[in-house]
Amino acid sequence: GAVVSQHPSWVICKSGTSVKIECRSLDFQATTMFWYRQFPKQSLMLMATSNEGSKATYEQGVEKDKFLINHASLTLSTLTVTSAHPEDSSFYICSASLGQYGYTFGSGTRLTVV
Amino acid sequence: QQQVKQSPQSLIVQKGGISIINCAYENTAFDYFPWYQQFPGKGPALLIAIRPDVSEKKEGRFTISFNKSAKQFSLHIMDSQPGDSATYFCAASKRDNFNKFYFGSGTKLNVKP
Repeated sequence: GAVVSQHPSWVICKSGTSVKIECRSLDFQATTMFWYRQFPKQSLMLMATSNEGSKATYEQGVEKDKFLINHASLTLSTLTVTSAHPEDSSFYICSASLGQYGYTFGSGTRLTVV
Repeated sequence: QQQVKQSPQSLIVQKGGISIINCAYENTAFDYFPWYQQFPGKGPALLIAIRPDVSEKKEGRFTISFNKSAKQFSLHIMDSQPGDSATYFCAASKRDNFNKFYFGSGTKLNVKP
């Protein structure tokens, strides 16, 4: 089946540095990818929708300058958390659209900012 | 505002029992209702999904019951097993923006051996 590979699975970074998270669609082309954030014991909150070759669409309240999303190819989307702070520590998950009602998730990235 | 409300927050079931998780929604524009299973440290995985034109869908031990008039849907796990212990999320999306999912708050299921 369609697989989205997400890396790294976990990362620890110092406050003020930037972290890049990658999501690759392994055996299909993902025109649209989504980025979610999940706090401990809470639900997934959609951060942004990225379409290949165009600017990402951010959900209300999400800082586009802090969470940079790039979707330069049909198989790769990246999320860069810029100038990370401890409050950015969270579980970030990408997903890709497989078409109408089809949706597959990456395995997630646990970000800890110290 | 939570568009999809899920209950209970946590659930403990004995092995072999039935696990039932409920979700409710208000927006009648929703027309696709999936359930996702998530293990700790992993991304969610699609378990089963239903559209409002049917009242029930069954796949193995997992069944979705859908009540369109009440705007409620539920997941039933028959013969629950310890391996089913995970967090379950219901979700909903609209026909005109089917890629945007609204997730419930999640239910942590613990199946005791």
